[in-house]
Parts: sequence; C-alpha cells; structure tokens
Amino acid sequence: AQTVTQSQPEMSVQEAETVTLSCTYDTSESDYYLFWYKQPPSRQMILVIRQEAYKQQNATENRFSVNFQKAAKSFSLKISDSQLGDAAMYFCAYRRYGDDKIIFGKGTRLHILP
Amino acid sequence: GAGVSQSPSNKVTEKGKDVELRCDPISGHTALYWYRQSLGQGLEFLIYFQGNSAPDKSGLPSDRFSAERTGGSVSTLTIQRTQQEDSAVYLCASSLGGWTPESDTQYFGPGTRLTVL
Repeated sequence: AQTVTQSQPEMSVQEAETVTLSCTYDTSESDYYLFWYKQPPSRQMILVIRQEAYKQQNATENRFSVNFQKAAKSFSLKISDSQLGDAAMYFCAYRRYGDDKIIFGKGTRLHILP
Repeated sequence: GAGVSQSPSNKVTEKGKDVELRCDPISGHTALYWYRQSLGQGLEFLIYFQGNSAPDKSGLPSDRFSAERTGGSVSTLTIQRTQQEDSAVYLCASSLGGWTPESDTQYFGPGTRLTVL
C-alpha cells in the first residue's frame, strides 16, 4: 500500500527566510502525481503545487518549488521569502495514475516568526 | 463563481444520535470526495462520486457511515449512531474529473467540525 510520511510535525522560520518541508512516500508504481496542499486556520485546503512523476523538471509556483527525487521517493517543498500568510498546515499527498483517491501525509505545521 | 460549501460548519451531537453533513460542490464538477480529518492526523479518504458511476465506498470506516449524491450535485454524508471516535472535521472536495492539472485539481470546502459528546 502507498504511504506518505512527513517527518516534521512542526517547523518555524523567520519571515523573509527560506524553509524546506520534507516528504517521503512509498509506492511500487511508476506513474503517479504528488501534491502539496496548504491548510490555513480557516480549514480550507488549497493546492500549492503539483508534480507529475514522469516529469524530471521540478515544479515551481512563484515562491514555492519542489525538489522531486523519484529514485529516493522524496518530494520536499521549498518556500522562499517566507511571509506571515504562509503560516498553515502543509500536507504532502500522493495519487496513483488511474486512481481517484489521494493519500495524504499527517502534515507539518509551519510557523512564521515576524 | 462560488466555491465548495459545507453545512453546518460546526455540529455538536450526543453519542448515539444520527447526523447529516451536507456538501455543495462547484457547479459543473462531476467528481466529489469526502474526507475525514481527525486531530493530529492527515486526511482520510471516505468516499468518492464520479458522475453517474457507482461510488467508491472503500474508505468508509463502518456501516454506520453512508453518503449519497442527488442529481449529480449536492451530497450528504450520514453517520448513524454516532460514537465519540467519530469526532473530527469532515471535508468535502470537488473536481472536474479527469487527469489533466486543470481537471483533476480538487477544490475543498471549509469542512464541518463534528463533536460527539
């Protein structure tokens, strides 16, 4: 069975600094998708970034980028120039190609220090 | 347009009572998902609807849980004879369905926080 592991329950970063959130996953599949979702205190989950496993190029969305290491089954999220609005729970997630279910990690709570 | 809405936002009930949670997906979205988020846990998949196909109920934790989707739009998650371990935030999401970034991105509602006393 596929699993997603986020080993950092909580992290803190100074405003304007860079922070990296870790995620590893376990799968025997070769075609899949990986996601990072953000859940602010409002509880509404927001998709931050998406990566297709067949793409070698790391996805980037403005200040958010990923380091996708397929062989190592690692998918970390880097947030540059951290802002107070980035404070939230961040969930790493996996979806096998052909399957509609998303498997989520347990999340990392990110604190931004002013 | 409007996003995914859920009601109620909070629900407190007594053990043994039945509850109904409602989800209004984004108009035109054919796929609808229910997840459960317990304290300190990630999201746990419960059930998935896609168009007129039979729902994927593989994530429902027990036969006390059921869901329906009427007219391919609004969905109701029902929990019968609630237990204290059912206390959680129940999240609904919808998508266009498909496999492109535009069509399979799930949009989440704000959730319903259920507390079973």
